[in-house]
Amino acid sequence: KNQVEQSPQSLIILEGKNCTLQCNYTVSPFSNLRWYKQDTGRGPVSLTIMTFSENTKSNGRYTATLDADTKQSSLHITASQLSDSASYICVVSAEGNTPLVFGKGTRLSVIA
Amino acid sequence: NAGVMQNPRHLVRRRGQEARLRCSPMKGHSHVYWYRQLPEEGLKFMVYLQKENIIDESGMPKERFSAEFPKEGPSILRIQQVVRGDSAAYFCASSPLGRTSGDTDTQYFGPGTRLTVL
Repeated sequence: KNQVEQSPQSLIILEGKNCTLQCNYTVSPFSNLRWYKQDTGRGPVSLTIMTFSENTKSNGRYTATLDADTKQSSLHITASQLSDSASYICVVSAEGNTPLVFGKGTRLSVIA
Repeated sequence: NAGVMQNPRHLVRRRGQEARLRCSPMKGHSHVYWYRQLPEEGLKFMVYLQKENIIDESGMPKERFSAEFPKEGPSILRIQQVVRGDSAAYFCASSPLGRTSGDTDTQYFGPGTRLTVL
């Protein structure tokens, strides 16, 4: 069964600190992996997308990594800001005409 | 270029009533997807439509739920005879190329409709 598991479930960090969120997946055959940011009461917004051949992708202070062999990905946030407080969702796509598989997300709270 | 629009943002219905959720995709996008998000759960795929066609409805309950994306106008997700378990956030996404286009297609999400069934 195609699944995406994320950890931790929630995280609280001080403003300015770094953090890393984890994603494990069993989706097969793998096509691509995306990280989305979802603010409270809003729809998800795409941060990064990585295919099988890519092992790192950056978008400003966000850096995603992918290990297709171990089926793991991480999202690293550098110098966190209060506006980073949101849920971060790992989404995996299988090859072909199949639905996206969403993780439950990690709820990040950045406090002053 | 306006993003994906959904309305209403909040909808309250009593058990047994009908709920109609609307989604206007981004300009130039002909592929629409509906997802449901329960509290503390990830988004779950419901249905994928292209103009006037349902491509994949494998995630949509067989009874009481229906979806359409007419040639003109928004996509509609319709829930008949709502029950308390239907209370959730319903998100619509649109994309320009569709699922079979592979890595280059990105889904853009609307703000969601929060349905509460009393």
